[in-house]
Amino acid sequence: QQQVKQSPQSLIVQKGGISIINCAYENTAFDYFPWYQQFPGKGPALLIAIRPDVSEKKEGRFTISFNKSAKQFSLHIMDSQPGDSATYFCAAQRSGSARQLTFGSGTQLTVLP
Amino acid sequence: GAGVSQTPSNKVTEKGKYVELRCDPISGHTALYWYRQSLGQGPEFLIYFQGTGAADDSGLPNDRFFAVRPEGSVSTLKIQRTERGDSAVYLCASSSGTGAHEQYFGPGTRLTVT
Repeated sequence: QQQVKQSPQSLIVQKGGISIINCAYENTAFDYFPWYQQFPGKGPALLIAIRPDVSEKKEGRFTISFNKSAKQFSLHIMDSQPGDSATYFCAAQRSGSARQLTFGSGTQLTVLP
Repeated sequence: GAGVSQTPSNKVTEKGKYVELRCDPISGHTALYWYRQSLGQGPEFLIYFQGTGAADDSGLPNDRFFAVRPEGSVSTLKIQRTERGDSAVYLCASSSGTGAHEQYFGPGTRLTVT
């Protein structure tokens, strides 16, 4: 059972454009929602994260929008740059002591120069 | 400071062999996680350590997989009788402690079973 659904699978954006990646979750026990950026041959790097008590969080060019009632959240990358080309994973973390992450299937972003 | 390190970066083994993968977490981090990432997929949880004990091993696919963390720092993931389906990137992450949110990943070990 896929608990975190991510779309689109791939995304091509022109330099300077806005990249939008969407995720939906099912389990209401999730209480922390990070986004990770992964370059080929590297491990995932924590990009930005949000808790469900806020609807939006912005860090530089990256913004998370969160809709608790719809159980959906999205990543917006403003002024996308070729260096942003990578695979992006949303994730959800279960409340409690273990806090293992459940990941989406990933979005391969390509920003054209 | 130093991040999470994993060795080896690549491991090629024959079907049926035994392998060990090592993870060295961020200094002072008491929580350690192992994930497995298949090609084109997101990482999948395998096991979680808090200190020396495996607090949650619900993600281990079968009893061929085992992990230890004897001194509460370095962890070793052990796979017996490897199968071709075990081929994947094995990722380690660490976190500062019980209930902490942020997990920081290492570069992974790419395991190929021939």
